[in-house]
Amino acid sequence: DAGVIQSPRHEVTEMGQEVTLRCKPISGHNSLFWYRQTMMRGLELLIYFNNNVPIDDSGMPEDRFSAKMPNASFSTLKIQPSEPRDSAVYFCASSLSNNEQFFGPGTRLTVL
Amino acid sequence: GENVEQHPSTLSVQEGDSAVIKCTYSDSASNYFPWYKQELGKGPQLIIDIRSNVGEKKDQRIAVTLNKTAKHFSLHITETQPEDSAVYFCAERGGGFKTIFGAGTRLFVKA
Repeated sequence: DAGVIQSPRHEVTEMGQEVTLRCKPISGHNSLFWYRQTMMRGLELLIYFNNNVPIDDSGMPEDRFSAKMPNASFSTLKIQPSEPRDSAVYFCASSLSNNEQFFGPGTRLTVL
Repeated sequence: GENVEQHPSTLSVQEGDSAVIKCTYSDSASNYFPWYKQELGKGPQLIIDIRSNVGEKKDQRIAVTLNKTAKHFSLHITETQPEDSAVYFCAERGGGFKTIFGAGTRLFVKA
């Protein structure tokens, strides 16, 4: 069982650049969540999808952030343009309906 | 709005002692309370959960208690071991999919 797969594991970019984070949920899971983790704000839910449809994106910080889920096995979180305050660890998680969420290993993003 | 408060933020115990982490929540509709353990460089991992129709649940050395009237729930780890050292998060969820996490407790178990 591969678990939730995220790529890249680490990303270093310069302010103003576009950043794309990728997630492959566990096969068969129908819910997908994007979280951001920082020391100051802890673990924050950005957006979640159910059956590939965005259900709640109220946690997305601003218009620079966007997320897509074109099919059941792939999702992206894009930041354009990136800013230093976006530096954080971004987690993707998936679940089967309303059950336990399984987290991926995270992507550590550093924006210089 | 929805809010989960978690205490303490840091906890240091001697190996073999017990550790207790407490959380309070505000949403009366909350009915699912998971606890996650996060080790360095990894994503959070579910260790135990409890639903609102149960007051206590135990799994080997870990147990969770829930007081819905007071809106409190707690994690108890007995006979702590160095490998229990990690950050622990409580969380709550209502009728939808949105899970609200506490700020986390950094547990140190000294050998």
